Amino acid sequence: AQSVTQPDIHITVSEGASLELRCNYSYGATPYLFWYVQSPGQGLQLLLKYFSGDTLVQGIKGFEAEFKRSQSSFNLRKPSVHWSDAAEYFCAVVNSGNTPLVFGKGTRLSVIA
Amino acid sequence: DARVTQTPRHKVTEMGQEVTMRCQPILGHNTVFWYRQTMMQGLELLAYFRNRAPLDDSGMPKDRFSAEMPDATLATLKIQPSEPRDSAVYFCASGSPGLNTEAFFGQGTRLTVV
Repeated sequence: AQSVTQPDIHITVSEGASLELRCNYSYGATPYLFWYVQSPGQGLQLLLKYFSGDTLVQGIKGFEAEFKRSQSSFNLRKPSVHWSDAAEYFCAVVNSGNTPLVFGKGTRLSVIA
Repeated sequence: DARVTQTPRHKVTEMGQEVTMRCQPILGHNTVFWYRQTMMQGLELLAYFRNRAPLDDSGMPKDRFSAEMPDATLATLKIQPSEPRDSAVYFCASGSPGLNTEAFFGQGTRLTVV
């Protein structure tokens, strides 16, 4: 069965600092991978997705993620964090398009001045 | 601006009462997912439909939960009778036909059962 691990429950970074959120997945074939962001009281918004091709994908709000098959990872990065990036971030995997996402437990990001 | 619409946004009910949550998927989307979010369990899949047919509802407690799609523009999730442990945020998401697509989420229904 597919699974997603986000090792960090909570991360605090200073505004302007770089960010990397970790995500590891367990799946036999090449999965479809996603990062979603959830602000308090809101639904989940897609940041970026990987289906195939270039392993470095660009998303909205200045985020990017890199698929590394050898490490079964899909880490999310941002070079300079803004206070508005404070939210919960979820990594997710599916085995094919338009099938149910399997989510990690999420990483809560706090941004300090 | 196409979006998934969920109603109500908030619901407080007494234990034993029936609760119905509604979801309007994005027009043209043929797949609908229901997820439940709790602090302890995170995001769990309850059920999903494609072309209005249920494909998987193994995540739902069958004795009290039911999910339906009366038509292509409406999905419902019903709990009867509700229990305090059902308190959670329930999300609906929809997806368009095709392989390289993602799920679009609604704002959720925050359910509190007292």
